[in-house]
Amino acid sequence: SAVISQKPSRDICQRGTSLTIQCQVDSQVTMMFWYRQQPGQSLTLIATANQGSEATYESGFVIDKFPISRPNLTFSTLTVSNMSPEDSSIYLCSVRGNQETQYFGPGTRLLVL
Amino acid sequence: LAKTTQPISMDSYEGQEVNITCSHNNIATNDYITWYQQFPSQGPRFIIQGYKTKVTNEVASLFIPADRKSSTLSLPRVSLSDTAVYYCLVGEGYTGRRALTFGSGTRLQVQP
Repeated sequence: SAVISQKPSRDICQRGTSLTIQCQVDSQVTMMFWYRQQPGQSLTLIATANQGSEATYESGFVIDKFPISRPNLTFSTLTVSNMSPEDSSIYLCSVRGNQETQYFGPGTRLLVL
Repeated sequence: LAKTTQPISMDSYEGQEVNITCSHNNIATNDYITWYQQFPSQGPRFIIQGYKTKVTNEVASLFIPADRKSSTLSLPRVSLSDTAVYYCLVGEGYTGRRALTFGSGTRLQVQP
């Protein structure tokens, strides 16, 4: 299994600002994913971030709004840009090992005022 | 990706067995069935995965009929700590390269 940590665990931000969320894994993994979970809802995939290539975004999510970095095999960041109250969600990092199913971080709880 | 349908919520009492059934009529030949559990303020946690027949681990059992169009997660003797949302997912198995797609989930409430 993989142990995943995220920073910050929670934050309250003003509209129009940006927040960068960090995801750290305790082992090298090829595939990393970012999900969003709005209050009381299920998880929605934002993008897939593989080391050495640009992130692949799902329908409804764009790079200008959610830029992603993947500098190495144990780390990734997701930035939520020009935030509005509609961006208030839990953002989760997830990884997939070579032979294992997906593991999830604890999430970053974001509130935009 | 195959769409899944599961009950929105279920109630149970401590010590009872809970069975949550998921429908996935359009499951593909290569698809596996995976169940995740999510507690409030935590990320989803893998419970069990199977392809056909029955799979059992220390946490749960997964029953899959021959046509694979549905599956049932069985939690033996639930406790209050089993109160969570349970997600049924259908897609690539262990070696797949696509991210998991989550459905709406089943909110299980266990009462004393």
